[in-house]
Amino acid sequence: AQSVTQPDIHITVSEGASLELRCNYSYGATPYLFWYVQSPGQGLQLLLKYFSGDTLVQGIKGFEAEFKRSQSSFNLRKPSVHWSDAAEYFCAVGLYNTDKLIFGTGTRLQVFP
Amino acid sequence: DGGITQSPKYLFRKEGQNVTLSCEQNLNHDAMYWYRQDPGQGLRLIYYSQIVNDFQKGDIAEGYSVSREKKESFPLTVTSAQKNPTAFYLCASSILEGAGELFFGEGSRLTVL
Repeated sequence: AQSVTQPDIHITVSEGASLELRCNYSYGATPYLFWYVQSPGQGLQLLLKYFSGDTLVQGIKGFEAEFKRSQSSFNLRKPSVHWSDAAEYFCAVGLYNTDKLIFGTGTRLQVFP
Repeated sequence: DGGITQSPKYLFRKEGQNVTLSCEQNLNHDAMYWYRQDPGQGLRLIYYSQIVNDFQKGDIAEGYSVSREKKESFPLTVTSAQKNPTAFYLCASSILEGAGELFFGEGSRLTVL
């Protein structure tokens, strides 16, 4: 069965530090992969997506993610975190030929000044 | 501006009462979805609809019902049969291109007393 794993429930970083949020998926075919961000009490906003092609994907707000087929991973990175990046981040896999997404359980990011 | 509007944002109900959450979109999207979000569990799919007058159960449909009489609207009813209805509910839509970029509303928080 398809699944998405975000092994880190909660991450704390200092402002200006680099960030990497981990995401691993289980899916029988080449997946469509997404990262979404959610501020408290709000809906989700798409950061970036991977469908095919270049495995390094650029997104909004200075985020990027790299698809590694051999590791079944799609980790999210940012070279320098800003206090406004504090939020919850969700990785998701799209099932081929549908618009249904399976979400990971999320990683909550806390940023210290 | 195009988007998804969910109402109400906060809702309190007594146990045993049915409640209906509204979701309206003006993005001209074909597909609409309802997700439930609980702390530490990510988002779980309740129901989805790809076309007017048709909808399918998601992973946790028990105790919920939906209708899709208009393309723009996809209301969710939380019935008294839902054993743990207190949660954050998110509505989403997509253009149904088979690749799953979802656009989300800002959510409705239901508390059952």
